[in-house]
Amino acid sequence: NAGVMQNPRHLVRRRGQEARLRCSPMKGHSHVYWYRQLPEEGLKFMVYLQKENIIDESGMPKERFSAEFPKEGPSILRIQQVVRGDSAAYFCASSPPGGVFQPQHFGDGTRLSIL
Amino acid sequence: QKEVEQDPGPLSVPEGAIVSLNCTYSNSAFQYFMWYRQYSRKGPELLMYTYSSGNKEDGRFTAQVDKSSKYISLFIRDSQPSDSATYLCAMNRGGSYIPTFGRGTSLIVHP
Repeated sequence: NAGVMQNPRHLVRRRGQEARLRCSPMKGHSHVYWYRQLPEEGLKFMVYLQKENIIDESGMPKERFSAEFPKEGPSILRIQQVVRGDSAAYFCASSPPGGVFQPQHFGDGTRLSIL
Repeated sequence: QKEVEQDPGPLSVPEGAIVSLNCTYSNSAFQYFMWYRQYSRKGPELLMYTYSSGNKEDGRFTAQVDKSSKYISLFIRDSQPSDSATYLCAMNRGGSYIPTFGRGTSLIVHP
């Protein structure tokens, strides 16, 4: 029973390049969430997606950042023209569908380093 | 004032001690309360979650919610060096899918 899978675990990019982070939710989960974590800081919500829909992107920077969760395949967090300030750990979480509250389960993150 | 306050620590205790980790919050609409454990270089791992006030026990862990005081606690009995990690509290408003996280408390259990 695989958990939330994120890849790559580590990603190094030079300033101005694009970063693509992938997340496969737990089996049976259709809700995906992306968070950013900086050292000594808590988890900051970025975006919440369901299949083919962005539900809440209130935590996502307006420029350079985008996310998708296609009908087939993993969810993708895309950062264009990366800058040094984008260096952080990015975590994906998932939860099952349904109206009753279900807590989120996290992957082990992608650590993004910008040179 | 942040919605969820959590002392970052570090909290250092000897092996076998009872550990108390706490969060306070300001939003009375929070109804669901979670505790996550995060080891270095890993993702948060769900330990326990509770709905509304009361206690919930799972092995060496007990989660306690006091909504009247807006205060939640996680107790760890017979603490082990393997419990050394950062513990994050999180809470949700009813009807919301997005939890609000505390900063996390770093716990060190020394042999």
